[in-house]
Amino acid sequence: QVQLQESGPGVVKPSETLSLTCTVSGGSISSSSYYWGWIRQPPGKGLEWIGHIYYSGNTYYNPSLKSRVTISVDTSKNQFSLTLSSVTAADTAVYYCARHNLVDYYFDSWGQGTLVTVSS
Amino acid sequence: QSALTQPASMSGSPGQSITISCTGTSSDVGVYNYVSWYQHHPGKAPKLMIYDVSNRPSGVSNRFSGSKSGNTASLTISGLQAEDEADYYCSSYTTSSTLVFGGGTKLTV
Repeated sequence: QVQLQESGPGVVKPSETLSLTCTVSGGSISSSSYYWGWIRQPPGKGLEWIGHIYYSGNTYYNPSLKSRVTISVDTSKNQFSLTLSSVTAADTAVYYCARHNLVDYYFDSWGQGTLVTVSS
Repeated sequence: QSALTQPASMSGSPGQSITISCTGTSSDVGVYNYVSWYQHHPGKAPKLMIYDVSNRPSGVSNRFSGSKSGNTASLTISGLQAEDEADYYCSSYTTSSTLVFGGGTKLTV
């Protein structure tokens, strides 16, 4: 059974760059059947899709975040990463990484989530 | 892209049935059968309950069912149980090759 685990700083200063890594275990990130994605949930709000990546490096981003987001993959470490630049308080959220079915567009495995607070 | 529209909250008594709606547009829910539903207990990872409008993953109770008509998808929970109390989110693929979630529905049992 695949497992995903987010890691990264819990606090980021305004205007700086948020960086998170998702480590995948129990399965290969190079599988041809899945994308690997990031979703966030601001306090008291709903889920927001950030984007996802295929092991080959193809990426898809939320248009509202596209100018600030980069998702990358490291197949040698079975990891994928999120960077979000020029953060503000509005980027404070629980960030989840998840595995995304390639054909039917649903997330079937999720990490536990990590809270990132943007504060000076 | 705009979030799919869900009722903010719903409630039901144990044993009852409830249906949560998820309204999108002809660019997402209305054009694809790639609608999925997630159950989210605060502090835990979201859990896939329904995919492709009406399919249940292995291990999900058959009390959960999904359907779609036009631009609106629905999640029905029958025989409500206390453990069903959670937030529920719908999601859809879009014609822009992106994904969009609903605003979420807080279910109280």
